Amino acid sequence: DTGVSQNPRHKITKRGQNVTFRCDPISEHNRLYWYRQTLGQGPEFLTYFQNEAQLEKSRLLSDRFSAERPKGSFSTLEIQRTEQGDSAMYLCASSLGSGRTNYGYTFGSGTRLTVV
Amino acid sequence: AQKVTQAQTEISVVEKEDVTLDCVYETRDTTYYLFWYKQPPSGELVFLIRRNSFDEQNEISGRYSWNFQKSTSSFNFTITASQVVDSAVYFCALISGNMLTFGGGTRLMVKP
Repeated sequence: DTGVSQNPRHKITKRGQNVTFRCDPISEHNRLYWYRQTLGQGPEFLTYFQNEAQLEKSRLLSDRFSAERPKGSFSTLEIQRTEQGDSAMYLCASSLGSGRTNYGYTFGSGTRLTVV
Repeated sequence: AQKVTQAQTEISVVEKEDVTLDCVYETRDTTYYLFWYKQPPSGELVFLIRRNSFDEQNEISGRYSWNFQKSTSSFNFTITASQVVDSAVYFCALISGNMLTFGGGTRLMVKP
């Protein structure tokens, strides 16, 4: 296994367009997380899946954002009607977890979104 | 609610100097994990260490060492004999439950 994979690495889009990012977690990991990191800041939690169920969403996740994890494998994060403030690095992480315990929390290389 | 504070936003040292990056955290939970990550200019988050709240033993890994003090809610990171390749942003993070909470990061610049 090559770790957590994210595609694309970079995305430039015009304001108002929709974008979709993909994350392929480590295959045996049941949990998948999305974070957003703006310039000069630490990553901020967006949402988390356990298998295919989306169990937690941050208030940062406006209704223009939607995330899915069909079949509990890869996940997609879609941003509709992008705004310049959406420009950030979007990071995906996965872990093997049960209850409040997580093992092997691993991040992907991220997708850098630039909205022009 | 949990919070991680890295008061040093930027540190500049000359190669071979020792440097300590500070991390202070807040949580109401008694069981939690603390992490340090390195983020080089390429952007990926590189895992450095994970400690649980019940293990206060200090740890050393090569030039890296970590000092966990529950009494002061601190988890500081020291790089001994720094090298230019250590230049990066370093993040301290806390997990209690399922969500990692990151500090704002410390940018370390090691000059030759």
